[in-house]
Amino acid sequence: AQKITQTQPGMFVQEKEAVTLDCTYDTSDQSYGLFWYKQPSSGEMIFLIYQGSYDEQNATEGRYSLNFQKARKSANLVISASQLGDSAMYFCANSDNNNDMRFGAGTRLTVKP
Amino acid sequence: DVKVTQSSRYLVKRTGEKVFLECVQDMDHENMFWYRQDPGLGLRLIYFSYDVKMKEKGDIPEGYSVSREKKERFSLILESASTNQTSMYLCATGLAGIYNEQFFGPGTRLTVL
Repeated sequence: AQKITQTQPGMFVQEKEAVTLDCTYDTSDQSYGLFWYKQPSSGEMIFLIYQGSYDEQNATEGRYSLNFQKARKSANLVISASQLGDSAMYFCANSDNNNDMRFGAGTRLTVKP
Repeated sequence: DVKVTQSSRYLVKRTGEKVFLECVQDMDHENMFWYRQDPGLGLRLIYFSYDVKMKEKGDIPEGYSVSREKKERFSLILESASTNQTSMYLCATGLAGIYNEQFFGPGTRLTVL
C-alpha cells in the first residue's frame, strides 16, 4: 500500500506570508493522485487541491498551489498570503489503482496575526 | 452537493459491547471508506468498499468488520468494543477512479469505557 509522510507536526506563519507544508509519498504505481485536505477545529474535512501523476503543470486553486516534484516523490502544499482562517490541520493523501486512499499524519498550521 | 451523514456525532459504549456506526451518502458514489483519526497518526484506513457487498481491508482492520448491503450505506461494526478503539471515526465516499476526491461525513467520536 502507498505511504504518505508529513514530517512537520506543527507550523507557524505570520499573517499575509506564504507557507509550505511538506508531503512525500511512496507508491509503486505509475498512475496515482495526490490530494490535500484541510480540517479546521470544527472537524469537517475540506478538499483543497488535487494533482494527477501525469499532470505536467503544478495544480493551483486560488491561494493554494501544489509543488509536485515527481522524481523526488514530493507534493508540497503552498499557501500564499496566509489568513487567520487558514489555521487548521492539513492532510496530504495519495490514491492509487486499488481504489483506496491513504493519508499522512497531518500538519497543524497556526497563522499568527 | 454531496451529503454524507453518520448516525451519531458522539457515542459512549462499554467494553465488550457490539457497536454499529452507520454511514449514508446520497450521491450514488461507488466507493465508501471508513477511517479512524487519532492525534499524531492522521487518518488510518480501516476498510473500504468499491461496490455493494464488496469490501477490502485497509491498514488496521483488526477488531472491525463492515457491511455494505446497499450502495448508499456502509456500516462499520465493532464486534466487541475495547478501550483502544476510542477514537474519531470518519466515513468518506467518492467516485471510482484514482483522480477523484473523497467527501467526508462529520465524524463519530466514540468513547469506549
